[in-house]
Order: sequence, then structure tokens, then C-alpha cells
Amino acid sequence: EIVLTQSPATLSLSPGERATLSCRASQSVSNSLVWYQQKSGQAPRLLIYDASNRATDIPARFSGSGSGTDFTLTISSLEPEDFAVYYCQQSSNWPLTFGGGTKVEIK
Amino acid sequence: EVQLVESGGGLVKPGGSLRLSCAASGFPFNTYTMNWVRQAPGKGLEWVSSISSRSSYTYHADSLKGRFTISRDNAKNSLYLQMNSLRVEDTAVYYCTRAPPYCSGGSCWDRWGQGTLVTVSS
Repeated sequence: EIVLTQSPATLSLSPGERATLSCRASQSVSNSLVWYQQKSGQAPRLLIYDASNRATDIPARFSGSGSGTDFTLTISSLEPEDFAVYYCQQSSNWPLTFGGGTKVEIK
Repeated sequence: EVQLVESGGGLVKPGGSLRLSCAASGFPFNTYTMNWVRQAPGKGLEWVSSISSRSSYTYHADSLKGRFTISRDNAKNSLYLQMNSLRVEDTAVYYCTRAPPYCSGGSCWDRWGQGTLVTVSS
């Protein structure tokens, strides 16, 4: 089973700042890495698939990068609605696995 | 509009069974791989099961040890999860999810239902 480790656990930032979230895999997943956003009390929303492709209707301020074992989700300028929990997920091997999440909170 | 509506959750005693359902609408259900993902209260996400569009393949998380079975009825646009021998640690919100064509092998999900809560407690 591939283990995904997300860091930091919590990121405290102000609106307008840049957010950089990390996801590290225990073995190579090539570019098969997905990012989701989950707001309190809501279902997750797909942001990024195949490491760097934005899903439908996802704003350009969200970008993903990386390959192999190290991946990054960047939010270029935080909007008030971006404060949420972000999960990475590997889509390379069964069983599909998630990271533990990074909470982006208002500073 | 794409809709996924789960039902069937509730309170069940350890060792009991439940069958979750997901009613899909707004898209050609019979062409999509469908999945269940769960989230324990205050915890992260956990993939549970996947089923291909024509039920040719199914996958289940190893941790379930054969207790859960995913199935679908394309004529009824419905997805199911039969859960047996339930344990306290199965307590979670269970989400029905859709895998878009660009997610190879059905391994990521672009539409999620609102979830149904399963509580396993004596």
C-alpha cells in the first residue's frame, strides 16, 4: 500500500498570500496524483488530477506540480473561500490511498 | 445537472448489516466507473470500493476483509454497498462518487454525493 504524507498539517495564512502544500509518496506514483478540497460540512471537490491538470471549473490560482514521490499544490493568492482542508490521493496503485490532509486556516 | 443521492445509512449494532444505495441522475450512469469513499467523524478520507461501468471489475479496500460488496444496477441508475459484520470502526459518512473518463481506471472522482452517515454502536 502506498502511504502519502502531507505537510504541514496546518497552514496559517492571510487572504492574498501564497499557499504551498506538500504531498510525499512512499514509492513512485509517476504523475498519478490527485488533489481535493474539502470545506467544513461538505463533500470533497476535485481540484487537480494527474499531478498538474485542473479539473473543470477550478480557478487558475490552483496549480499542481511534481512527479515520482514529491508533489506540490500551490494556491497563488488565497481567496476567503479557499480556507479548507486539502487532501492528496494517489491514483497509481490499488488500493487507492489518501494523505492525512492539510488544513489551510486564516491567520 | 449531475446528482448523486445516497441513502440507507443509520444506526446499527456491531455485527449487523446495512445496504447503502446511491441514486444517480444527470449523466449516462452506465458509462462511468462508480465508487464508495468514507470519512470517519473528524478524520480523513478512505477509499472503500470501486466498480466498473458494466461491473466487469470490482475492487475493495484490503482492510474490509471481504465484509463489504459493491454492486450496481445500470437499468435503475443505482449503486449499492452491502456492508456485513459491521464494526465500530466502520462508523463514517459514506460518499458515492463518480470517476470521470480522464481518471484512468476510475481512480479519481469528480462528483460526490452529500454522504450518508453509518453509525455502528451498541
